[in-house]
Amino acid sequence: GENVEQHPSTLSVQEGDSAVIKCTYSDSASNYFPWYKQELGKRPQLIIDIRSNVGEKKDQRIAVTLNKTAKHFSLHITETQPEDSAVYFCAAYGGSQGNLIFGKGTKLSVKP
Amino acid sequence: EAGVAQSPRYKIIEKRQSVAFWCNPISGHATLYWYQQILGQGPKLLIQFQNNGVVDDSQLPKDRFSAERLKGVDSTLKIQPAKLEDSAMYLCASSKQGLGEKLFFGSGTQLSVL
Repeated sequence: GENVEQHPSTLSVQEGDSAVIKCTYSDSASNYFPWYKQELGKRPQLIIDIRSNVGEKKDQRIAVTLNKTAKHFSLHITETQPEDSAVYFCAAYGGSQGNLIFGKGTKLSVKP
Repeated sequence: EAGVAQSPRYKIIEKRQSVAFWCNPISGHATLYWYQQILGQGPKLLIQFQNNGVVDDSQLPKDRFSAERLKGVDSTLKIQPAKLEDSAMYLCASSKQGLGEKLFFGSGTQLSVL
């Protein structure tokens, strides 16, 4: 079945710097890759997603890139702000299991 | 548009007791999911419904967990009897169709089993 690996598990950056979180997936049939942000004690919220027919997608300070050949996708946050501090989860959908498999999460801390 | 509603927000029980969680998805969303999120980990799918039918319950510990969505709208998840390792956040999510559609999560129920 699908397996999603996420790195790093923790990431600390200075306000204004960029942050990059990387994920790899195992099932080449997966075709949908969302990213969720979860603040402490709150629900995961979708921040951006990408489908397998697209290589890159951008939404203001957030971008996601997908390399289907290498089976990895990344989240890029530019000009980070303290309110970006949260746990970020990548996920992969589709393939043989037909459901969303999450990575273990990256705790991002943005220091003012 | 109202979001996914879940209750209760918190629950503390002793091991071997029973507990039930309720979820009401976004109106019009055919697919409903129950996820278990253990502290420090990503959500893990327990069961997926399409309308009132089960699509995937392969990771549901059926000896103690059960779920239903009788009328294809709201759903309940039950644990009977609870174990210490069931302590987790139980998240309900919904999507319009399920096949690669965006998932919207509820606020979750934080369960502590003592």
